[in-house]
Amino acid sequence: NAGVTQTPKFQVLKTGQSMTLQCAQDMNHEYMSWYRQDPGMGLRLIHYSVGAGITDQGEVPNGYNVSRSTTEDFPLRLLSAAPSQTSVYFCASSPSGGGGKNIQYFGAGTRLSVL
Amino acid sequence: GENVEQHPSTLSVQEGDSAVIKCTYSDSASNYFPWYKQELGKGPQLIIDIRSNVGEKKDQRIAVTLNKTAKHFSLHITETQPEDSAVYFCAASIRGRGSTLGRLYFGRGTQLTVWP
Repeated sequence: NAGVTQTPKFQVLKTGQSMTLQCAQDMNHEYMSWYRQDPGMGLRLIHYSVGAGITDQGEVPNGYNVSRSTTEDFPLRLLSAAPSQTSVYFCASSPSGGGGKNIQYFGAGTRLSVL
Repeated sequence: GENVEQHPSTLSVQEGDSAVIKCTYSDSASNYFPWYKQELGKGPQLIIDIRSNVGEKKDQRIAVTLNKTAKHFSLHITETQPEDSAVYFCAASIRGRGSTLGRLYFGRGTQLTVWP
């Protein structure tokens, strides 16, 4: 099983550029989410989705957009990159939350630098 | 929303010693508490979890305890080995609240270093 696949693994952007971080899962999970990880800050939720066509904001949504047109894919868009968005980004997925099955499976991360 | 505090932020132990990481949570409705291990350059991976109807759970050298009254839970690693060196995250989840179903609230992480 591939699990959760994130691309690219590394990316350098200039301030003002836009880009899309890709996330795909092959486990037929309903729930997908995006986190950013900064030193000493743990994992902070950016956006999440409880199913195709449904997305919602997390703790730090500003500057990011998401959409969920299929169960498998959950891309994260940076509209106009800023140095404050330099971070490591993780995508995660989990089965439907019914029954308390909240185990999340993480991708390997995308390391983004904005100059 | 839920607030999860994790301590300590760094922990150094000698190989063979025990390590304990503690977390507190704020929302008494939280009912699922996983622990994740993140090795350098990788994504976090679940190592153990506990649900609110259980006070303790053990899996070989790792164990988790939960005190619902005090709203805190802890990770215990015995007979530590150098390969246990990693960042450990605790998290809490509130089941059954509409669109927040499945959402995890993470602590800030503990960098555990095990010296040979």
